[in-house]
Amino acid sequence: EAGVAQSPRYKIIEKRQSVAFWCNPISGHATLYWYQQILGQGPKLLIQFQNNGVVDDSQLPKDRFSAERLKGVDSTLKIQPAKLEDSAVYLCASSPATSGPYEQYFGPGTRLTVT
Amino acid sequence: QKEVEQDPGPLSVPEGAIVSLNCTYSNSAFQYFMWYRQYSRKGPELLMYTYSSGNKEDGRFTAQVDKSSKYISLFIRDSQPSDSATYLCAMSEPGNNRLAFGKGNQVVVIP
Repeated sequence: EAGVAQSPRYKIIEKRQSVAFWCNPISGHATLYWYQQILGQGPKLLIQFQNNGVVDDSQLPKDRFSAERLKGVDSTLKIQPAKLEDSAVYLCASSPATSGPYEQYFGPGTRLTVT
Repeated sequence: QKEVEQDPGPLSVPEGAIVSLNCTYSNSAFQYFMWYRQYSRKGPELLMYTYSSGNKEDGRFTAQVDKSSKYISLFIRDSQPSDSATYLCAMSEPGNNRLAFGKGNQVVVIP
């Protein structure tokens, strides 16, 4: 079974530029998560989708971050404009529709550097 | 006060030693307790989870939860160089899949 796919793996941009990340979850997984992991810290949930609806986006900085999940499968996370403090690894995870919190499977992440 | 506290100090141990990691938490609503392993430039992968106080064993790994003290631990017996990774504790409330993570401990097992 293929895992969660993310691209690009690495991205370097200048502050005030925009950037987008893409995630393809495990086939059949209805729930998709985006986490931000700053160096030396644990991942922090940014947004959770159930199919193509948002379940939790309470920690998403909505003035600059946006996310969508068209057709309930792939998802994109966008930052516009980027700030230096957005430098982090952005992790995508997915889980089956009816699952415990321990059933999240993580992708390899996209490492963003903002200069 | 952060929801989950994990002393992020790196840990170096000789091969075969016991590794002991721990986290404390402040949210009494947490009922699910997980440990993840994260290799460099990879995503976290689930090692163990539990939802009750006490010990749970899986091979060389033991997870321990003390809800009365809001304290969880992970023990790795007979540590191997392949265990070198960052270990993250994570917790969740019932009915809510949001994971609250600790900062992680980088463990290095020296051959």
